[in-house]
Amino acid sequence: GAGVSQSPSNKVTEKGKDVELRCDPISGHTALYWYRQSLGQGLEFLIYFQGNSAPDKSGLPSDRFSAERTGGSVSTLTIQRTQQEDSAVYLCASSFSGASYNSPLHFGNGTRLTVT
Amino acid sequence: KQEVTQIPAALSVPEGENLVLNCSFTDSAIYNLQWFRQDPGKGLTSLLLIQSSQREQTSGRLNASLDKSSGRSTLYIAASQPGDSATYLCAVEWRSQGNLIFGKGTKLSVKP
Repeated sequence: GAGVSQSPSNKVTEKGKDVELRCDPISGHTALYWYRQSLGQGLEFLIYFQGNSAPDKSGLPSDRFSAERTGGSVSTLTIQRTQQEDSAVYLCASSFSGASYNSPLHFGNGTRLTVT
Repeated sequence: KQEVTQIPAALSVPEGENLVLNCSFTDSAIYNLQWFRQDPGKGLTSLLLIQSSQREQTSGRLNASLDKSSGRSTLYIAASQPGDSATYLCAVEWRSQGNLIFGKGTKLSVKP
């Protein structure tokens, strides 16, 4: 079946603009994760959705970042008033059951965001 | 603080060699440990998942081991091939939180 789909694959925006990044998880996967990968850095956790539970937002770096997951499926990560330090690859992943159920994560190919 | 460390950061070997990648983590109260592969410009591909109750997992030429008491995991790649060239990442899911913490990866280059 189809894997995790992210759009756009590349996004160039001017400093101060808002951007929306989209993630379509694998059908039936209840858990959805957003990570950020900067050049030379590891993956930085941003936010985690599990079913109908309140999301774990502990990794969001500032209040300019927010995410939604509508209908338990598609997720949108929004960055307001983008800054140059927001430039990175934003990766989305989904899994069948999420934390503690030992389900492997399936990643999309990411959105490369460049803030000029 | 829960951290995952991978050593070395980069490794270059000739084709055909067996090799070991290392991962260490703080705090042994884990749910599982996962190994991923990342090719340039791509997302991550799950290779192996070891549950906290397991000692090792095998898939083809790959074997991952887990020693919770010492906070270590190794990924063994047998008879390496140029197609194995990629960055290998280790990630740990701890009982106290719902997300995976990743190491910074080991960039492997297998020379023909």
